[in-house]
Amino acid sequence: GAGVSQSPRYKVAKRGQDVALRCDPISGHVSLFWYQQALGQGPEFLTYFQNEAQLDKSGLPSDRFFAERPEGSVSTLKIQRTQQEDSAVYLCASSLGFRQANYGYTFGSGTRLTVV
Amino acid sequence: AQTVTQSQPEMSVQEAETVTLSCTYDTSESNYYLFWYKQPPSRQMILVIRQEAYKQQNATENRFSVNFQKAAKSFSLKISDSQLGDTAMYFCAFIGSGGGADGLTFGKGTHLIIQP
Repeated sequence: GAGVSQSPRYKVAKRGQDVALRCDPISGHVSLFWYQQALGQGPEFLTYFQNEAQLDKSGLPSDRFFAERPEGSVSTLKIQRTQQEDSAVYLCASSLGFRQANYGYTFGSGTRLTVV
Repeated sequence: AQTVTQSQPEMSVQEAETVTLSCTYDTSESNYYLFWYKQPPSRQMILVIRQEAYKQQNATENRFSVNFQKAAKSFSLKISDSQLGDTAMYFCAFIGSGGGADGLTFGKGTHLIIQP
């Protein structure tokens, strides 16, 4: 596609529910990143994929967070047993390759998750 | 680990004025890349300008320019002839020369308001 597409745009979940957030990167982009952006804050790194391999998941805040990219294209961020502190905007970004990340990433418009 | 600090939570200027947003960073790396991103209410992070640390010349993109002071670890953004459409959150970001498996490190952002 022409850009990074994320869905849903908004998600309201009851505390304890599981949610799945989707990211469809630019076709051919090897690198894919997930970020969490709390209200009034800058984005914070969650995890990084190179093709289907998850090379870094050091930013995932707990074992309730899980990300996958099984075919090296679409990625899903799953949050189990959501808590109120999970409320945030979840941004996905992609780049052509690892080195090309130095040119900046292309971001999606994010999913705003509200846990009530 | 690197840190990025934006000390101005909010700034407001009149249309057509010039405004400067501040950013400082801390890193032990000798080569790296710095970025300014714009985030309008649509939430999509848009790359405004990029600077390579090993280049002494300050980057310029139309009305946007930077003042990069490597020794002081300072990277400010100057917006000339500001326009209403410049109203947005602005984030300063850093990435190491290796591309960074842990992705971009962002500051907390500055909310820029352009008044008519």
